[in-house]
Amino acid sequence: QSVLTQPPSASGTPGQRVTISCFGSNSNIGSNSVNWYQQLPGTAPKLLIYNNNQRPSGVPDRFSGSKSGTSASLAISGLQSEDEADYYCAGWDDSLNGLFGGGTKLTVL
Amino acid sequence: EVQLVESGGGLVQPGGSLKLSCAASGFIFSGSTIHWVRQASGRGLEWVGRVRDKPNNYATAYAASVKGRFTISRDDSMNTAYLQMNSLKTEDTAVYYCTRIRCGGDCWSYGMDVWGQGTTVTVSS
Repeated sequence: QSVLTQPPSASGTPGQRVTISCFGSNSNIGSNSVNWYQQLPGTAPKLLIYNNNQRPSGVPDRFSGSKSGTSASLAISGLQSEDEADYYCAGWDDSLNGLFGGGTKLTVL
Repeated sequence: EVQLVESGGGLVQPGGSLKLSCAASGFIFSGSTIHWVRQASGRGLEWVGRVRDKPNNYATAYAASVKGRFTISRDDSMNTAYLQMNSLKTEDTAVYYCTRIRCGGDCWSYGMDVWGQGTTVTVSS
């Protein structure tokens, strides 16, 4: 079981806004920032959000991140078919070891 | 082009060893922290470990599941990082990715912004 908890699945229709949650604890999300990764089928993960709410160059502003206390969220607005992928939150613990959430499979209906 | 390329994966028997390589190009390798992340088929991502840069004494850290069996190292002159895997178990079967954080110390908040394509390790008799 992952230390960071995500719902296994999420879905939405094109144009809709969907959110994916990530729950942790005081020793990880509560005291450190959160990153989010997108993994399209058959490909390597891609950095989507870093430092809670920062987008790397080239990531559309449809993607946004937030953090509050020991939880974080990824929001995708204007959902598109190409957004269908697995999404992972990530952080680190007090020992500075890496942590990934279990992943959320997003389906665009 | 900024890229990481893994190699060295393959089939190995339980208890055996394998060494993966991660060759970097297009960026200042010596200033980056290199991480290894694995993914078993149909499963999520699992952090394996990391090696920091020279100013941070090439410090390493490992997930509990691999500590004492896996060793991460780097050769900045070759722009290459390595993952030495010993005493392999069937549960180590996975695609192994190397990835970087563009600073050499404790800077997880930058995120892993460059990933290799992965190399497959299969541990089976």
